[in-house]
Amino acid sequence: SQTIHQWPATLVQPVGSPLSLECTVEGTSNPNLYWYRQAAGRGLQLLFYSVGIGQISSEVPQNLSASRPQDRQFILSSKKLLLSDSGFYLCAWSAGGSQPQHFGDGTRLSIL
Amino acid sequence: GESVGLHLPTLSVQEGDNSIINCAYSNSASDYFIWYKQESGKGPQFIIDIRSNMDKRQGQRVTVLLNKTVKHLSLQIAATQPGDSAVYFCAETYSGSARQLTFGSGTQLTVLP
Repeated sequence: SQTIHQWPATLVQPVGSPLSLECTVEGTSNPNLYWYRQAAGRGLQLLFYSVGIGQISSEVPQNLSASRPQDRQFILSSKKLLLSDSGFYLCAWSAGGSQPQHFGDGTRLSIL
Repeated sequence: GESVGLHLPTLSVQEGDNSIINCAYSNSASDYFIWYKQESGKGPQFIIDIRSNMDKRQGQRVTVLLNKTVKHLSLQIAATQPGDSAVYFCAETYSGSARQLTFGSGTQLTVLP
């Protein structure tokens, strides 16, 4: 069966520091991969998605970036974090087509 | 712009009763809809989906109804249990969008003992 892993589960970072969140998927090949951010009590905002290695589409202009160095690895990065980057970050995968997205358990990011 | 919204932000039901969570969508091109359940501190969990060529789909204790005429989606939970307490999101997408999902803001379901 397919599984998705995100780490770390929680992270506290100072303003201006770099960020690297990692997401890996097991049990499937060539998945579509997604990064979302969720503000408290709100829905999910799509940040990036990828349909293949090295293919990244950005949905929201900001100081975050994403990379897909391997087929089942998706990384969310920042060179300098802002206070507004605090939130709950979720990675998801899907098989494409009319298939649901499946989410990891997220990373709670707090910026101090 | 296009959006998916929920009629009610909170819903409280007695344990054992049926729950109905509603969702309105505005993109008439949407052809695939999903309901997710999100417990506190966790990622959304897939519950059930429905394609636009269907009006109704049933799962275990859950039923999704789709009314394309009025762009309305609902999730019915039979015999609601305490473990059903969570935030429920509807999401919609359409072919050609790399299946990017547009999420509603969510409904908090609370099951009362």
